[in-house]
Amino acid sequence: QSVLTQPPSVSGTPGQRVTISCSGSSSNIGSNAVNWYQQLPGTAPKVLIYTTNQRPSGVPDRFSGSKSGTSASLAISGLQSEDAADYFCSAWDDRLTGPVFGTGTKVTVL
Amino acid sequence: QVQLVQSGAEVKKPGASVKVSCKASGYIFTTYGITWVRQAPGQGLEWMGWISANSGTPNYAKKFQGRVTMTTDTSTSTAYMELRSLRSDDTAVYYCAISWGLPGDVFDIWGQGTMVTVSS
Repeated sequence: QSVLTQPPSVSGTPGQRVTISCSGSSSNIGSNAVNWYQQLPGTAPKVLIYTTNQRPSGVPDRFSGSKSGTSASLAISGLQSEDAADYFCSAWDDRLTGPVFGTGTKVTVL
Repeated sequence: QVQLVQSGAEVKKPGASVKVSCKASGYIFTTYGITWVRQAPGQGLEWMGWISANSGTPNYAKKFQGRVTMTTDTSTSTAYMELRSLRSDDTAVYYCAISWGLPGDVFDIWGQGTMVTVSS
């Protein structure tokens, strides 16, 4: 079961900016870095953001991550049709001694 | 290139066991631990546990302790995850993953996933 809470869905028109929230607790987001994954239908997750706000090589700079307290956010600026996917946040949990994941957010490009 | 290739889909009856394999290539197998994550249909990701490919020492999520066994075979660079006493809610895609090229606890290399269906 998922420990981190995300909105089930967000939507926007091409070019718009959308944000996805991820709410956790002091044992995970509050004390550890946050990672974000993008998952296209029928494929494995792909790293979008690591260590809260870093982008791997090849990820467009329209994706950005941030964290404040026990919550984190993923922002997509200049939304594009290929951004339609599911997005998951993740963080190490000190109490569970393992990574925990978010409930997932489906991004729809209208 | 660095790659994890998993075994094919499985259909099992309730109460049975399933063993999923994850063959690594493109890197020295013993360098990185293997993590197992599952995803029920339409649901989020769930961490099952991790095994050191160097020592073979596992660390299981509490939820699966007593029902899961993770092993590695360094001679074939393959990791295995066996789940016993299967129930219908174990129906999911099972992934293996490693934290290879990025710092921190982030999984940047994933297997293609193995669908396990539990149905009578």
